[in-house]
Amino acid sequence: QKEVEQDPGPLSVPEGAIVSLNCTYSNSAFQYFMWYRQYSRKGPELLMYTYSSGNKEDGRFTAQVDKSSKYISLFIRDSQPSDSATYLCAMSATSYGKLTFGQGTILTVHP
Amino acid sequence: SAVISQKPSRDICQRGTSLTIQCQVDSQVTMMFWYRQQPGQSLTLIATANQGSEATYESGFVIDKFPISRPNLTFSTLTVSNMSPEDSSIYLCSVEWGYGYTFGSGTRLTVV
Repeated sequence: QKEVEQDPGPLSVPEGAIVSLNCTYSNSAFQYFMWYRQYSRKGPELLMYTYSSGNKEDGRFTAQVDKSSKYISLFIRDSQPSDSATYLCAMSATSYGKLTFGQGTILTVHP
Repeated sequence: SAVISQKPSRDICQRGTSLTIQCQVDSQVTMMFWYRQQPGQSLTLIATANQGSEATYESGFVIDKFPISRPNLTFSTLTVSNMSPEDSSIYLCSVEWGYGYTFGSGTRLTVV
């Protein structure tokens, strides 16, 4: 079993839809949770950074962490074609420790 | 955030040869990380490079295959040695920055 599981999709939604992306993990030591967006032929770009459980909102993006269930989510409201990318969850046990990534979910938002 | 320049952006190499990938950061950083992203898969950490010390390799990666240099606080290189088609992948460098990490655009390597 992988430490971090993420549904690879692909996920295709119409413009304006609410998108939900999820990861589960098995290592209870993970404290720091991140979501990255990766466009084709580019490196991952940090979207959201969360410490421990709770919610964090940034514009159209909301990150949720439920440590009791070992489950994290990223919600994208009013999705746009420019949101089409691969979304990767990542987590670590310490603030600048080794990152463990999920497989990535390919998202396409069509006009 | 820090800006990372990674070279080359892509290369096609013959099996048995070696390729050195360069990573230049516009700010001084303590740790630099090298990742591999195989086709259709996620990122896997190869090693962590601190300036002035030997790199620390993750399980499954060895120094003879992936030698790393870290001569100063803004630069690192990763060499993929004695390449085989299984080494075809995207290689990315990364640095810690504020909250989270910044990544370079990657080097797309194809071994034929």
